[in-house]
Amino acid sequence: GENVEQHPSTLSVQEGDSAVIKCTYSDSASNYFPWYKQELGKGPQLIIDIRSNVGEKKDQRIAVTLNKTAKHFSLHITETQPEDSAVYFCAASISWGSNQGGKLIFGQGTELSVKP
Amino acid sequence: DTGVSQNPRHKITKRGQNVTFRCDPISEHNRLYWYRQTLGQGPEFLTYFQNEAQLEKSRLLSDRFSAERPKGSFSTLEIQRTEQGDSAMYLCASTGETGVTQYFGPGTRLLVL
Repeated sequence: GENVEQHPSTLSVQEGDSAVIKCTYSDSASNYFPWYKQELGKGPQLIIDIRSNVGEKKDQRIAVTLNKTAKHFSLHITETQPEDSAVYFCAASISWGSNQGGKLIFGQGTELSVKP
Repeated sequence: DTGVSQNPRHKITKRGQNVTFRCDPISEHNRLYWYRQTLGQGPEFLTYFQNEAQLEKSRLLSDRFSAERPKGSFSTLEIQRTEQGDSAMYLCASTGETGVTQYFGPGTRLLVL
């Protein structure tokens, strides 16, 4: 089955710096890759996602890149702010173009701390 | 607020007791997912429904766990004879038939003493 590895497990940056979180997946059939932000005591909140027919997607300070050949995808946050501090999860699934249901396989999470 | 809602938000129970959680998905979302999240880990898939049909169950879902979605709207997850290892956050998510984005609820945090 699918396996998703996420690195680093913790990341500390200064306000204004960039943060990069990387994930690898094992199942080449995976075609949808969302990123979620989870704050303490809350459910995961989608921040950006990418489908396998796209190599890069950007939304303001957040961008995601996908390398299907290497089975890598990464989250890039620029101009970090203290309110970006949270746990970030990558995930992979076979979500479209099939009837496989779209269950998400999550990485282990990255605790991001942005110091003012 | 028309997001996914879950009740209760917190549940403390004694080992051996039964517990039931409820999830109300976003209106008209026909796919509903249950995940379990332990401390410091990512959510793990448990099961999913398309309308009222339970289409997939994880190996994590032992025979003490049962999930239902009787009318294709809200869903319940029941754990019988709870064990300390069942302590976790139980998350529910939903998505529409043609969508892929899963919207998560706030979760139910279970503590088994």
